[in-house]
Amino acid sequence: QKEVEQNSGPLSVPEGAIASLNCTYSDRGSQSFFWYRQYSGKSPELIMSIYSNGDKEDGRFTAQLNKASQYVSLLIRDSQPSDSATYLCAVNMDDYKLSFGAGTTVTVRA
Amino acid sequence: NAGVMQNPRHLVRRRGQEARLRCSPMKGHSHVYWYRQLPEEGLKFMVYLQKENIIDESGMPKERFSAEFPKEGPSILRIQQVVRGDSAAYFCASSPPGVLSTDTQYFGPGTRLTVL
Repeated sequence: QKEVEQNSGPLSVPEGAIASLNCTYSDRGSQSFFWYRQYSGKSPELIMSIYSNGDKEDGRFTAQLNKASQYVSLLIRDSQPSDSATYLCAVNMDDYKLSFGAGTTVTVRA
Repeated sequence: NAGVMQNPRHLVRRRGQEARLRCSPMKGHSHVYWYRQLPEEGLKFMVYLQKENIIDESGMPKERFSAEFPKEGPSILRIQQVVRGDSAAYFCASSPPGVLSTDTQYFGPGTRLTVL
């Protein structure tokens, strides 16, 4: 079983719509969760971190965490063409080691 | 206010040669992590270092790969006798002092290694 799994995608949404990304993880003891955005050929860029159950909002992004279900999600509201990228879910294991999902590629159609 | 710096950004080597990848962490950061991203795959943890110490190298292949973070200078990821399967993007990340599970890791621009 993979440590971190994401919905495979690719995900295509029209401009202005909500993009919903999902991630599950295997280590029940994990405490820190991150969403990174990676444009093609570029490095991962942190867009959101979440540590407690519930929702966390930052601009057009909302992260949701449910530790009982070992599930974390990212919603992108009012999607823009500039949001077209691969989104990586990362889970902090062993206090420092990030385990990444394979990523979900999002395309926002103008 | 420089971020994590890596060089070279692109590196081409022939099979059997050595590759040296350098990483300077963000100012004030003392923890360095190396990750590898193979084509069409997610990032995989390789090694975690602090100054003059390798803390965890469980993700690094046992042969041909080594890493260091000397007291002075950048962290170095060294790959000896490269093979085509080593072709990948190698990313360095850094985080501030203190080991907290909530510490955010900031990534450098990466080194894209191509082995011919």
